[in-house]
Amino acid sequence: NFMLTQPHSVSESPGKTVTISCTGSSGSIASSYVQWYQQRPGSAPTTVIYEDNQRPSGVPDRFSGSIDSSSNSASLTISGLKTEDEADYYCQSYHISNQENWVFGGGTKLTVL
Amino acid sequence: EVQLVESGGGVVRPGGSLRLSCAASGFNFDDYGMSWVRQAPGKGLKWVSGINWNGGSTTYADSVKGRFTISRDNAKNSLYLQMNSLRAEDTASYYCARRLEAAPGTDVWGKGTTVTVSS
Repeated sequence: NFMLTQPHSVSESPGKTVTISCTGSSGSIASSYVQWYQQRPGSAPTTVIYEDNQRPSGVPDRFSGSIDSSSNSASLTISGLKTEDEADYYCQSYHISNQENWVFGGGTKLTVL
Repeated sequence: EVQLVESGGGVVRPGGSLRLSCAASGFNFDDYGMSWVRQAPGKGLKWVSGINWNGGSTTYADSVKGRFTISRDNAKNSLYLQMNSLRAEDTASYYCARRLEAAPGTDVWGKGTTVTVSS
């Protein structure tokens, strides 16, 4: 089964830059689009990056997404960290052989301290 | 404003049934596939089911196949999830999500409805 692995938690100070990784278990993550979702405590998820590096309207350009084929991983980078960025972040993709089965990473708890 | 609003959650006994609804507004509903995603208390996100724009194609996670049925009514801009033979492990918040045009994934989420399966 295709899986996505994220670090359990990361922490950084306000104003700094943090990167959250998402590694695919098989195949090429570059063959499938990756999305990133933010979930603040007690709230529904929202989309911060879709199709690898696209931002929905209203998401600040402090959020960016990228793909590294050599490590079969995707990354979410948040620059100029704000306390409001403290949340759980989930990557999501799919295996090319089973496209309608969305696969989520386990989530990364970002602490801004 | 693009919006998805879920309803129909509640407390149900094991083996019982529940029907979730999702009302869509602010976009052409029948241009998009739709999906349900759930989140058990304190756990991560799990995809449950998806449906294409006209209801002609549906897909399910193995954990709900044969028990849940996804459907839609484009005339009412609504998405549904019929949940039968409910189990304790189906306890979760259920989110409605609009499928991206170019990829399996979403750019729009609802606020969710909570389902609790307990005796």
